[in-house]
Amino acid sequence: DFQMTQSPSTLSASVGDRVTITCRASQSIGSWLAWYQQKAGKAPKLLIYKASTLDSGVPSRFSGSGSGTEFTLTISSLQPDDFATYYCQQYNSYSVTFGGGTKVEIK
Amino acid sequence: EVQLVQSGAEVKKPGESLRISCKGSGYRFTSYWIGWVRQMPGKGLEWMGIVYPGDSDTRYSPSFEGLVTISADKSISTAYLQWNSLKASDTAMYYCARRGGVGTPKYDAFDIWGQGTMVTVSS
Repeated sequence: DFQMTQSPSTLSASVGDRVTITCRASQSIGSWLAWYQQKAGKAPKLLIYKASTLDSGVPSRFSGSGSGTEFTLTISSLQPDDFATYYCQQYNSYSVTFGGGTKVEIK
Repeated sequence: EVQLVQSGAEVKKPGESLRISCKGSGYRFTSYWIGWVRQMPGKGLEWMGIVYPGDSDTRYSPSFEGLVTISADKSISTAYLQWNSLKASDTAMYYCARRGGVGTPKYDAFDIWGQGTMVTVSS
């Protein structure tokens, strides 16, 4: 089974901190990875696609990198609006897999 | 404005059937895949399956194959998720989401999401 492993599952940070979330794929997926932000009670929102391209309107403090099996989402300076849960996602041969999620909490 | 609007919350009993909907607007509905994602209370996102409204081509996650039916009616720009016999374990929020355009860098991402439909199954 194809798997996406995200770490950490929970992250406590302060406003202004640099935050990094990692996503590992069980097999190579090239650069076909997306990142989403989900706030409590809301639908997920696309942040980054193709590993490093910011979706329209996404603040530049968000960045994505990686290829193959290892990917990262970085928030350069955490803002109050960024406290949320983040998911990675891959699409492979008509099968979609999400990572388990990383909850970013206020320290 | 490009959007997906889902049908309202449902409360059903075990064994009942249900169909929830997802209506697209502001774009060519027949040219984009629509996927369905389950989120059980307090849990992560699970992909259920996807349909291409242009020709009704449908693919399912192995975890959901045979348990639900995904379909689309292109004449009214609406995708559906259907159960024949609900269980308490189907209690969850269900989201529809549009896959990025064919041949674009967003093709393997879901760029537009519905607001979600909460399904509660309880006796």
